[in-house]
Amino acid sequence: QVQLQESGPGLVKPSETLSLSCTVSGGSVRSGGYYWSWIRQPPGKGLEWIGYFHYSGSTNYNPSLKSRVTISVDTSERQFSVTLSSVSAADTAVYYCARGLGPTTPLPGYWGQGTLVTVSS
Amino acid sequence: QSVLTQPPSVSGAPGQRVTISCTGSSSNIGAGYDVHWYQQLPGTAPKLLIYSSTNRPSGVPDRFSGSKSGTSASLVITGLQAEDEADYYCQSYDSSHWVFGGGTKLTVL
Repeated sequence: QVQLQESGPGLVKPSETLSLSCTVSGGSVRSGGYYWSWIRQPPGKGLEWIGYFHYSGSTNYNPSLKSRVTISVDTSERQFSVTLSSVSAADTAVYYCARGLGPTTPLPGYWGQGTLVTVSS
Repeated sequence: QSVLTQPPSVSGAPGQRVTISCTGSSSNIGAGYDVHWYQQLPGTAPKLLIYSSTNRPSGVPDRFSGSKSGTSASLVITGLQAEDEADYYCQSYDSSHWVFGGGTKLTVL
């Protein structure tokens, strides 16, 4: 059974770049043909899709974040990451990574526990 | 303002049946895109509850069911239990991008 775990700084300063990693246990990011996603949730609010990528290299990002976000696989191939540039307080949220339910769908069937990132000086 | 509209809250007594609606438009649900539902228990990550409008992942009780018609979808929970108290989110696609509903808090009375 695949397991995912987010990691990264819990505090980021305004205008800087947020970088988070997701470690995958029970598989490799480049095997199985799965989609890998990031979703976030501001405190007390609903879910917001950030984007996903496929092991083939294709990506799909939320249009409202597209100019600031990159999702990529790390060289270890057991991690993938998200970077979000020029952050502001509005980017404060719990960030979740997820894997597709099956090889042919990006639908997030397996989630990490989430990590809170606060944007503040 | 979410692209998909859900009621902020619903409630029901144990054993009852509750329905959570998800209303979209002709550019998302009405365009024929699937609707998916997630359950988020307090303090935990969301969990996929229903996918492709009507299907349950392995391990999800058959008390949970989904349907879709026109520009709307519904999640129905029968035989309500205390452990069903959670936030529920619908999700679909709009212009090839994911969109979520604002979420519905289910209170078990």
